[in-house]
Amino acid sequence: GAGVSQSPRYKVAKRGQDVALRCDPISGHVSLFWYQQALGQGPEFLTYFQNEAQLDKSGLPSDRFFAERPEGSVSTLKIQRTQQEDSAVYLCASSLERGNTEAFFGQGTRLTVV
Amino acid sequence: AQRVTQPEKLLSVFKGAPVELKCNYSYSGSPELFWYVQYSRQRLQLLLRHISRESIKGFTADLNKGETSFHLKKPFAQEEDSAMYYCALLDNYGQNFVFGPGTRLSVLP
Repeated sequence: GAGVSQSPRYKVAKRGQDVALRCDPISGHVSLFWYQQALGQGPEFLTYFQNEAQLDKSGLPSDRFFAERPEGSVSTLKIQRTQQEDSAVYLCASSLERGNTEAFFGQGTRLTVV
Repeated sequence: AQRVTQPEKLLSVFKGAPVELKCNYSYSGSPELFWYVQYSRQRLQLLLRHISRESIKGFTADLNKGETSFHLKKPFAQEEDSAMYYCALLDNYGQNFVFGPGTRLSVLP
């Protein structure tokens, strides 16, 4: 596929459960971003990778959130001990390089914590 | 602090009417500004960026540094323009897009 792919599209988790969200960026894209979008709000920055290096994780809301991109391609966002306030759409985006280039977004993973 | 504001949550106009979606930002450096659009059941996608000075689907946006604004305009709205519009800035390090809360544009027939 030519676009950014995220899986699963939908995830229902019981409170306290751990979840892992996957992002397959566009091949060759150096930059990868994760965003959290709560209902009725704009995307909120979580973390940024340049290749395999996590250069900015200032947006991660707590130490329950962890992201990795070990080989500089696929990325996983892990949320431990999920809580109801974690319910949101998690968006992944990639861009060709760092700087002023277009970010291509995936369709997101809608996480519902019950 | 970096911040993007979009004062209107919902904007309704009739087909053929002019439309302006407001965006203001606060940033200490010289950010790059973008408009992203999300049509129903589609993913977020780039509409235009200020450095390109381009017109996409009839939309234009001018960066006004004095007013720290980047309003999106179109002279004649079409029904297919109905969507969520997000204004965003990219910080100087090129590693953090800051999005506004979005404005839902509804173009009525």
